[in-house]
Amino acid sequence: QVHLQESGPGLVKPSQTLSLTCNVSGSSISSGSHYWSWVRQPAGKGLEWIGRIYASGSINYNPSFKSRIIISVDTSKNQFSLKLTSVAAADTAVYYCARLQLQLPRTECHFDYWGQGILVTVSS
Amino acid sequence: DIVMTQSPDSLAVSLGERATINCKSSQTILSTSFNKNCLAWYQQKPGQPPRLLIYWASTRASGVPDRFSGGGSGTDFTLTISSLQAEDVAVYSCQQYHTSPLTFGGGTKVEIK
Repeated sequence: QVHLQESGPGLVKPSQTLSLTCNVSGSSISSGSHYWSWVRQPAGKGLEWIGRIYASGSINYNPSFKSRIIISVDTSKNQFSLKLTSVAAADTAVYYCARLQLQLPRTECHFDYWGQGILVTVSS
Repeated sequence: DIVMTQSPDSLAVSLGERATINCKSSQTILSTSFNKNCLAWYQQKPGQPPRLLIYWASTRASGVPDRFSGGGSGTDFTLTISSLQAEDVAVYSCQQYHTSPLTFGGGTKVEIK
C-alpha cells in the first residue's frame, strides 16, 4: 500500500520560507519508476501543480513558481521536500505531495497516489 | 500554459440518474507520441485528497466502479457517472499532462437533487 505523508509548519510568516517534507512508504523513490510531485489547493479553489522531482534529482518546476521554489529528494530516507521562499498570503493553501506516473522516456502523466494534505497559512 | 475549462461549475442529479461533466482544453492534448489523449479525472470529497478515477481520457483506475466513464478526444472531454450514487457527491476535476506545466480544471461540484 503506497502512502504519502506531508509534514511541516502550518503557519509561516509573510516573506519567510515555507518548508514541507513528504515521507513515502510502500513505494521506493530510488526505483526510478515514478516522479514525485507537489500540488497545492487554496481554499475553495482548484488544484495547482507546483513541480516534480525524479530519483536522480532531475526537476521540472511550474514556471509560475520557478524563482521561488526548490524541490529536493533524499532517497536514503525515501522522502522529498519543498521549499517556497518569500511567501505571501496568496500562498495560503493545502499542500499535497503526490506520486506522478512516468511514461518513458520522461513524460509526466497522472497522479495516482496523494498524501492527505497539509494546510499552510501565511500570516503574521 | 494549457487552460482547462470545466462545465458546469455545479450540477444536481437525482439518485440513479446520469451525470455528465465537460472539460475543454485550450489546445489539443492528443499525444502523437502515444496516440492517446493526455487527460485524467479526479474525484475529491470534502477534507480529502483527490482520487484518481480516469487516465488517458478513458482508462479507469484500479478499483473505480464501472459507472464512471471517460470520453472525448482532442480538446473536448467528458466524465460520465451513469447512475449517480450517494457516495459520488464530490468535486470532479480534469487534468492535462500533454504539456508542462501540468494544469487542472477548476472543478465541478456534483450534488444530489
